[in-house]
Amino acid sequence: QVQLVESGGDVVQPGRSLRLSCAASGFTFSSHAIHWVRQAPGKGLEWVAIISYDGSNKNYADSVKGRFTISRDNSKNTVYLQMNSLRPEDTAVYYCARDGIPRGSGSFCNYWGQGTLVTVSS
Amino acid sequence: DIVMTQSPDSLAVSLGERATINCKSSQSVFYSSNNKNYLAWYQHKAGQPPKLLIYWASIRESGVPERFSASGSGTDFTLTISSLQAEDVAVYYCQQYYSTPLITFGPGTKVDIK
Repeated sequence: QVQLVESGGDVVQPGRSLRLSCAASGFTFSSHAIHWVRQAPGKGLEWVAIISYDGSNKNYADSVKGRFTISRDNSKNTVYLQMNSLRPEDTAVYYCARDGIPRGSGSFCNYWGQGTLVTVSS
Repeated sequence: DIVMTQSPDSLAVSLGERATINCKSSQSVFYSSNNKNYLAWYQHKAGQPPKLLIYWASIRESGVPERFSASGSGTDFTLTISSLQAEDVAVYYCQQYYSTPLITFGPGTKVDIK
């Protein structure tokens, strides 16, 4: 069955960096784009970034552009989110999610991980 | 950027009654070339990851109960729970993917039991 497992969440000080991982299994990983979506405490869902199935295209929300970098290693079935210059407003549960359309450019998310908590605080 | 809005912010419905959630996009999410609306609906329960309910505006995801249905086109969409069950308590989000790869979620609608 399809599984996505996030890891790497932690408590970090403002301005520091953190790398999240999303390990996937149960499907042809190299055929699907992967999204990162976050939910800050008491807030709604916010789309963060997407990487295409082959890693050739990456896109970001304006709120993280220039600070976050998404990447993937299809040999390890893993997607990463490198988060630099972290701010308190980046505090959230971060979910990775599989795009629903094989080799699509970005659509709906039909499988989600359980999420990993990132807390940015001094 | 396409901005999504939802109404109401929250609603409380008696068990077995109908719940209706509205979603509006700041511009049309309908592609005439393939006759599809690029809109999805999610259910998000506390402590769980979001769950896809509906995609292409009206297609129910596999395993989603038939009491969940959705309709709409262009800029105005509706999610309906025909007979609310206790397990339907959640926050519901619409999401557009017309501006793919940049997607946006609505602010969410909280559904509770009256």
